[in-house]
Amino acid sequence: KQEVTQIPAALSVPEGENLVLNCSFTDSAIYNLQWFRQDPGKGLTSLLLIQSSQREQTSGRLNASLDKSSGRSTLYIAASQPGDSATYLCAVPYSGSARQLTFGSGTQLTVLP
Amino acid sequence: GAGVSQSPRYKVAKRGQDVALRCDPISGHVSLFWYQQALGQGPEFLTYFQNEAQLDKSGLPSDRFFAERPEGSVSTLKIQRTQQEDSAVYLCASSFSPGGREGELFFGEGSRLTVL
Repeated sequence: KQEVTQIPAALSVPEGENLVLNCSFTDSAIYNLQWFRQDPGKGLTSLLLIQSSQREQTSGRLNASLDKSSGRSTLYIAASQPGDSATYLCAVPYSGSARQLTFGSGTQLTVLP
Repeated sequence: GAGVSQSPRYKVAKRGQDVALRCDPISGHVSLFWYQQALGQGPEFLTYFQNEAQLDKSGLPSDRFFAERPEGSVSTLKIQRTQQEDSAVYLCASSFSPGGREGELFFGEGSRLTVL
């Protein structure tokens, strides 16, 4: 069974800092990994989707990397802003199923002005 | 529509009542998923539809949970005889690709169910 762990569970940083969120998964036989953002009381917004053949994806100030062999992904946020405050979740397909996603519990990020 | 729409956004039910939660996926999206999210946790898979066919319902926690998508568009998640442990946010997601394998998942804002 696929298990996804995110560290740290919560993070508070001053505005302007660069930061890294970590995601690890137990079964490396994945074909993609997705990072989501969730604001309080809201649904999930897809940030980046990395296919298994890719090592990283970039969107604006966000950069996500994927190392399948070690079962790890990182989300790098450059020059953080208060508007980045949210919970960040990573998700990978459930082992043996193309359909289910297994989510981590998320990292709750607070960027202080 | 422009995004995945869910209703109601909030639902309070007395224990034992039946509830129905609706999801309108993005037009043309083949795949539709239901997830359950407990407070402080990541979403957990409930069930998956490809068009009108329910191909995977392995995540439904009990036979009190039932989902349908009769015309391959709108989906309804029904919970019978609700119990307090059913309290959670129920998220619907859709994807253009079968199985959501290659495409991104687009989520609705969820239906928050509170069972008293």
